[in-house]
Amino acid sequence: QKEVEQNSGPLSVPEGAIASLNCTYSDRGSQSFFWYRQYSGKSPELIMSIYSNGDKEDGRFTAQLNKASQYVSLLIRDSQPSDSATYLCAGNNFNKFYFGSGTKLNVKP
Amino acid sequence: EAQVTQNPRYLITVTGKKLTVTCSQNMNHEYMSWYRQDPGLGLRQIYYSMNVEVTDKGDVPEGYKVSRKEKRNFPLILESPSPNQTSLYFCASSSRAPAGGLSDTQYFGPGTRLTVL
Repeated sequence: QKEVEQNSGPLSVPEGAIASLNCTYSDRGSQSFFWYRQYSGKSPELIMSIYSNGDKEDGRFTAQLNKASQYVSLLIRDSQPSDSATYLCAGNNFNKFYFGSGTKLNVKP
Repeated sequence: EAQVTQNPRYLITVTGKKLTVTCSQNMNHEYMSWYRQDPGLGLRQIYYSMNVEVTDKGDVPEGYKVSRKEKRNFPLILESPSPNQTSLYFCASSSRAPAGGLSDTQYFGPGTRLTVL
């Protein structure tokens, strides 16, 4: 069983819609969670980090963490074609980091 | 400019020929890490370093070595590369090692695409 699981997609949404990306994790010791965006051929770049249960908002992005259900999500409001990328969910258990395989998002104009 | 650099960016080599991929950061970060990225498997952590002379294994350390003699540098060494080490490699750094389980943001280098024939 992978430490972090994501649906590989692709997830297709029309421009202006809300994109919802989901991730589950197996290690209850994980304490920090991250969403990275990775364009094809590029390195991952951080979108959001979340440490506590609940929602965290930053501009068009909202990260949600539910430790009881071991579930992390990322909502992207008013999706733009430039949001088309692969989104990686990650968590850490102390000094080790675990990444999901990523969900590919396509935002159609 | 704050950045993580890796060299080389692309490398094609043959089985058994020792190679080193360099990683350097100019942000005075304590924590550094190496990952490999393979289709369908995502990023997997190879080794990490909490500070100078402190390194430890990640999820997939077999066939790799690292060293951390200076804070800014964290080279990845493949003593005898094999075709199953063909992959995209990323170095990353963060300001400090996770404390109390909580981690700072990791900043990634541009990646090194390695092909072992």
